[in-house]
Amino acid sequence: GAGVSQTPSNKVTEKGKYVELRCDPISGHTALYWYRQSLGQGPEFLIYFQGTGAADDSGLPNDRFFAVRPEGSVSTLKIQRTERGDSAVYLCASSLVSDSLPYFGPGTRLTVT
Amino acid sequence: DQQVKQNSPSLSVQEGRISILNCDYTNSMFDYFLWYKKYPAEGPTFLISISSIKDKNEDGRFTVFLNKSAKHLSLHIVPSQPGDSAVYFCAAYSGSGGSNYKLTFGKGTLLTVNP
Repeated sequence: GAGVSQTPSNKVTEKGKYVELRCDPISGHTALYWYRQSLGQGPEFLIYFQGTGAADDSGLPNDRFFAVRPEGSVSTLKIQRTERGDSAVYLCASSLVSDSLPYFGPGTRLTVT
Repeated sequence: DQQVKQNSPSLSVQEGRISILNCDYTNSMFDYFLWYKKYPAEGPTFLISISSIKDKNEDGRFTVFLNKSAKHLSLHIVPSQPGDSAVYFCAAYSGSGGSNYKLTFGKGTLLTVNP
């Protein structure tokens, strides 16, 4: 595809439920990033993948959050036992290599009720 | 602790005039700075960048100025156009510190350009 795509665009879930957010990076991009943008804030780094491995997951807020990228392309961000404070726009970005410009997807807006 | 600060939540200017968006940072390890533009329901798109070895970078109507001693940068848009209306994010990272993949963003400034 031409850009980074994310599905779903919107997700509403009840507190305590499990959600998965998907990111399809630009073809050929080896680096992939997840960011979270809460209301009134700038995007905050969550995790960075180089290939299949999570090179830096220091931004994940707690162990309810987990992300995978099993084949080095598509990535899934998984949130267990969702809380209302998890409501935010989750942005995915990819870049050709880790020190090249990241391109962002449109985000998934997660609302936890 | 906000390492990148955009103290103006919003800015309104007339079409044709100059827009100046400001950004301050506290982390001395930051050596690369970027500006992103974001429209509603879209992801941030890259606009312009500057490395710490420069004090100015220009691209068409957009110029970024960096004052390292003051830990301050600004984005100038001249002339401003209604299509420039968007949220502008300042972002930074430390290439020399090995964190060239991790951007730290400010909260953003909503620019409105009035026709």
